[in-house]
Amino acid sequence: AAGVIQSPRHLIKEKRETATLKCYPIPRHDTVYWYQQGPGQDPQFLISFYEKMQSDKGSIPDRFSAQQFSDYHSELNMSSLELGDSALYFCASSLQGSGANVLTFGAGSRLTVL
Amino acid sequence: DAKTTQPPSMDCAEGRAANLPCNHSTISGNEYVYWYRQIHSQGPQYIIHGLKNNETNEMASLIITEDRKSSTLILPHATLRDTAVYYCIVRVALGFGSGAGSYQLTFGKGTKLSVIP
Repeated sequence: AAGVIQSPRHLIKEKRETATLKCYPIPRHDTVYWYQQGPGQDPQFLISFYEKMQSDKGSIPDRFSAQQFSDYHSELNMSSLELGDSALYFCASSLQGSGANVLTFGAGSRLTVL
Repeated sequence: DAKTTQPPSMDCAEGRAANLPCNHSTISGNEYVYWYRQIHSQGPQYIIHGLKNNETNEMASLIITEDRKSSTLILPHATLRDTAVYYCIVRVALGFGSGAGSYQLTFGKGTKLSVIP
């Protein structure tokens, strides 16, 4: 079965640079979620989109922005990168009309800021 | 969403059943119990969910107490590959949230399960 696809899997950037992560949800899923997991931390919710509209917002820094496109894929844009942004970034998708609305996660993108 | 309490760590002998408890004493009637696990640095993996009744799938069983204030995830025959952090999460069911899309999962500390050979 198709899963959530994230790219790139690994990314290395310098401080103050910009990074973009991409997420391709499971086909027919209409909601995308972004999570950040720092070293030794639990996943923290950043933001979510339903039908291309922002639906929920967590602890996402102002330097970060995201959007969901017409084909339902999503991109997380991170500017003015800081050392503390080094983390695993997970994308998840779900289908809102599916009862328990189970989230399926991708394998993650590892961002290293030097 | 209701908060959950889990033991920080547990050990289990390979081949034995692993029983992971979760306390969610403030759960509301419209909230599901979900279990996910995360094997080192991989994406969280869905295991099972339930509302009121006990549930079983190919991965695990979920036992929810009658008052719904606690639950237990059971891995019937633990293997070394089951070593992971297990998260018990309570979240409002679809249709009862504050609006479309308000169904993100809030991860707590979880239980680090170590399966011992």
